[in-house]
Amino acid sequence: KAGVTQTPRYLIKTRGQQVTLSCSPISGHRSVSWYQQTPGQGLQFLFEYFSETQRNKGNFPGRFSGRQFSNSRSEMNVSTLELGDSALYLCASRSDGVGELFFGEGSRLTVL
Amino acid sequence: KNEVEQSPQNLTAQEGEFITINCSYSVGISALHWLQQHPGGGIVSLFMLSSGKKKHGRLIATINIQEKHSSLHITASHPRDSAVYICAVDPGGFNKFYFGSGTKLNVKP
Repeated sequence: KAGVTQTPRYLIKTRGQQVTLSCSPISGHRSVSWYQQTPGQGLQFLFEYFSETQRNKGNFPGRFSGRQFSNSRSEMNVSTLELGDSALYLCASRSDGVGELFFGEGSRLTVL
Repeated sequence: KNEVEQSPQNLTAQEGEFITINCSYSVGISALHWLQQHPGGGIVSLFMLSSGKKKHGRLIATINIQEKHSSLHITASHPRDSAVYICAVDPGGFNKFYFGSGTKLNVKP
């Protein structure tokens, strides 16, 4: 059974650009959540999707958005990038919103 | 205000030592997770607890709901246990976890 797949693994952008990150959950998992990890703030919750609906959102500005497709794959987008958006972005999937979390390897974003 | 406090922040041990990492939280929870993160970033879920104690190999996790406290123990530590261990509490709100700042463990041979 394939794990959670995140693409791209590494990317470099400049301030003002936008970025889209992708997450493919474990087959059969309908819940996908996104987290940002920085050295200063640690891990922080961004949002969670279940069956194409956003069920919860963290305290991030509107520049951070996401969506989930009918096959449960999810994307997150960050517009108008700032230096402080440099981070490791992790996604995790769960079968039904409860139970064990399975994380991807993360997408490491550097904003110059 | 930190909903989750972990201690210690850094821990160095000799191979074979017994290790304890502590996690205290201030919110009501439906479950608590212990996560392991190796250099490079990937996170692995070690345990999910809502009560009592769980054991997996050399790892043991306990939780005391009344005291809002959990511990992760590693028996007979090994250099491959070197990683960051993160406590995450689930207040029951669709994966909106609160995370501890992590404990960086270095086990020396």
